[in-house]
Amino acid sequence: QKEVEQNSGPLSVPEGAIASLNCTYSDRGSQSFFWYRQYSGKSPELIMFIYSNGDKEDGRFTAQLNKASQYVSLLIRDSQPSDSATYLCAVNPQGAQKLVFGQGTRLTINP
Amino acid sequence: GAVVSQHPSWVICKSGTSVKIECRSLDFQATTMFWYRQFPKQSLMLMATSNEGSKATYEQGVEKDKFLINHASLTLSTLTVTSAHPEDSSFYICTFTRRNNYGYTFGSGTRLTVV
Repeated sequence: QKEVEQNSGPLSVPEGAIASLNCTYSDRGSQSFFWYRQYSGKSPELIMFIYSNGDKEDGRFTAQLNKASQYVSLLIRDSQPSDSATYLCAVNPQGAQKLVFGQGTRLTINP
Repeated sequence: GAVVSQHPSWVICKSGTSVKIECRSLDFQATTMFWYRQFPKQSLMLMATSNEGSKATYEQGVEKDKFLINHASLTLSTLTVTSAHPEDSSFYICTFTRRNNYGYTFGSGTRLTVV
């Protein structure tokens, strides 16, 4: 079982709709969870991080964490073509500083 | 915000030669540094973790004698790919973290092509 799993996609969403990205992780003791966006050929850029169960909102982005289900998601409201990218879920395993990444979900927003 | 400068952004080298990649934190002191590798259409895979002044810890399957990591100061870490081969062609990315801070700042990445 992979430590962090994501659906690789591609996920296609019409412009203006809500894009929903999901991630599961295997280490129940994981404490910190991150969502990164990566454009082709570029380095990842941080969108959001979340530590506590529940929702965390930042502009058009909402991260949701459910530690009991070992599940973290990212919602993008009012999707824009510029949101088209690969979204990477990353997790801090318990007791470790390193980030473990999922394989990423390729998202395409269709005008 | 925290800025990490990675250099070079791309490099082409011949098989058998060595390449050095530099990663520098410009406005903070980094206690721990991570080097990742990303092959086309794949995710980031951790290669090694280094703490300032200590030897790097390599992930399983990463040859420490081939990928030399030096983290001699709180602002600079280098990765040297020795005797590079075409299968080492990849996107190499560094990231720093700071003491008592969960933020991770990524460098801009280095595209290595070995011919």
